[in-house]
Amino acid sequence: NAGVMQNPRHLVRRRGQEARLRCSPMKGHSHVYWYRQLPEEGLKFMVYLQKENIIDESGMPKERFSAEFPKEGPSILRIQQVVRGDSAAYFCASSPPGLGNEKLFFGSGTQLSVL
Amino acid sequence: KQEVTQIPAALSVPEGENLVLNCSFTDSAIYNLQWFRQDPGKGLTSLLLIQSSQREQTSGRLNASLDKSSGRSTLYIAASQPGDSATYLCAVPLSGGYNKLIFGAGTRLAVHP
Repeated sequence: NAGVMQNPRHLVRRRGQEARLRCSPMKGHSHVYWYRQLPEEGLKFMVYLQKENIIDESGMPKERFSAEFPKEGPSILRIQQVVRGDSAAYFCASSPPGLGNEKLFFGSGTQLSVL
Repeated sequence: KQEVTQIPAALSVPEGENLVLNCSFTDSAIYNLQWFRQDPGKGLTSLLLIQSSQREQTSGRLNASLDKSSGRSTLYIAASQPGDSATYLCAVPLSGGYNKLIFGAGTRLAVHP
């Protein structure tokens, strides 16, 4: 059973471009979370999704950021018109169906660098 | 407002020592507490999850305890090895009961031969 798969591993974008980060949860997992780790800062919650539903996006910036978890395919975190301050490691995590507070499994992350 | 603090921020020990890492949280109304390890440039690996009704959990050389009333958890690592070198993070869920976690800043552990 493969773990949480994130790609790309590294992503370089110039200011103003779009960044698309993909996450395939573990098989059988229906809860997906995105976290961001800024340089020299801790991990911060961004968004929680279930299939085709955004449950909680309170940690996501109101502008330029969006997330989806379609019925088929991976979860996507999309950042439009990237700025240097978006440079960070973005981690996806998944957990099995249940109450939502089961053990969390993390991917290896996408390191976004904005030039 | 929930805050999570970890002490110490960094620890360097010789191989074979028994270690205690500390985690404290300000709001005792938690569903669970999770301990993770993070290796440089990599994601997090879940080590232990303690439900709010439990006092401790054990996995191999790791033992985590939880004292909700005092807002504390400790991670005990027995007979440390160089492979244990990593950053150890504790996290608790914010309100809502799902994995909207607030993390501590971590303890950076170095175990030298």
